[in-house]
Amino acid sequence: AQRVTQPEKLLSVFKGAPVELKCNYSYSGSPELFWYVQYSRQRLQLLLRHISRESIKGFTADLNKGETSFHLKKPFAQEEDSAMYYCALYNNAGNMLTFGGGTRLMVKP
Amino acid sequence: DAGITQSPRHKVTETGTPVTLRCHQTENHRYMYWYRQDPGHGLRLIHYSYGVKDTDKGEVSDGYSVSRSKTEDFLLTLESATSSQTSVYFCATGRGSPYEQYFGPGTRLTVT
Repeated sequence: AQRVTQPEKLLSVFKGAPVELKCNYSYSGSPELFWYVQYSRQRLQLLLRHISRESIKGFTADLNKGETSFHLKKPFAQEEDSAMYYCALYNNAGNMLTFGGGTRLMVKP
Repeated sequence: DAGITQSPRHKVTETGTPVTLRCHQTENHRYMYWYRQDPGHGLRLIHYSYGVKDTDKGEVSDGYSVSRSKTEDFLLTLESATSSQTSVYFCATGRGSPYEQYFGPGTRLTVT
């Protein structure tokens, strides 16, 4: 069975500090992974996906198949980055996403 | 926002009553999904649809049913609401792998 684990429920950092939100997955096939973000009082929205290898709002994520991880990183956190972040794994067989439990990022001034 | 709306946005109901939540999309996406969001659990899939009249169960489907009679509408029914179904419900749509899903604004349901 596929599973997505985000070990940290809450991550608190100061503005300007580096950020790493951890995501580990288990999946027998070739994974398609996403990061979604939910800002306060807003709907979930896509932040980035591994197949496009893009950087959005300064965030990057690299798929490490050996460690089965897809950690989200940003070198210098900003206060507006405070939000709930979800890692998600695509199940091609059912066209479904499996989400991790989420990590709340708080960036303090 | 991919033209996804949910109604109602907030609802308080009593234990044992039936409740129907509606998701409407204007993007003609084939796939539609219902999730519930609970602290510590993230989002869990309740039911999904891969076309008109084609639906299937997700991870937490007990106590819920769905219907999709038109491409644009996906209804979620709580047959007899219980307090454990107090949650925030999100609808999502998508074109299937490898594309992302688009989310509605959510419905906050409280069962007293």
